[in-house]
Amino acid sequence: NAGVTQTPKFQVLKTGQSMTLQCAQDMNHEYMSWYRQDPGMGLRLIHYSVGAGITDQGEVPNGYNVSRSTTEDFPLRLLSAAPSQTSVYFCASSYSKGVGGAGTEAFFGQGTRLTVV
Amino acid sequence: RKEVEQDPGPFNVPEGATVAFNCTYSNSASQSFFWYRQDCRKEPKLLMSVYSSGNEDGRFTAQLNRASQYISLLIRDSKLSDSATYLCVVNSNDMRFGAGTRLTVKP
Repeated sequence: NAGVTQTPKFQVLKTGQSMTLQCAQDMNHEYMSWYRQDPGMGLRLIHYSVGAGITDQGEVPNGYNVSRSTTEDFPLRLLSAAPSQTSVYFCASSYSKGVGGAGTEAFFGQGTRLTVV
Repeated sequence: RKEVEQDPGPFNVPEGATVAFNCTYSNSASQSFFWYRQDCRKEPKLLMSVYSSGNEDGRFTAQLNRASQYISLLIRDSKLSDSATYLCVVNSNDMRFGAGTRLTVKP
């Protein structure tokens, strides 16, 4: 059982380039999300999805797009990379988004370390 | 003001010590609460959920005070393997993470 798989693990981009960070989960979870983690800031929510075909913005969505065509996959696209997007990106999934402890444990991928120069 | 605030530390304690972490949150509508653990350059993993009545898991005890919007984590008899960053997480409409408290347990 692979859990949440993110690719690539490391990436260097030039300013203005675009790229897609891949995320796949094999736990049949409905809820998936993308976070970025910066020193002293904690994890900040970029976008999330409550199921196939449904996405919504989190705290810091600008400069990123997402889509959810299947339950398993939730790619994150950087449209035109900027140095401010240098960060560690984590994809997460959980059984539900609902409040309450049950089913809301988030399982994270191993992260993508992105540097924009 | 951040929605979830934690003392960043670092906390440096000897093996066997008891250490407590605190967390405050601003959204009074928050309904579920967690502590996650993150090892250096790794992904966060759930340590424990936090229930209103308080809960214990071995050497770890979590407390919630809804009136004060305050969560705590107590680690007793610290082990070297407890060295990590501990993230406070609050779920209202979505999961919000604190910046984390770094703990180093030394021999």
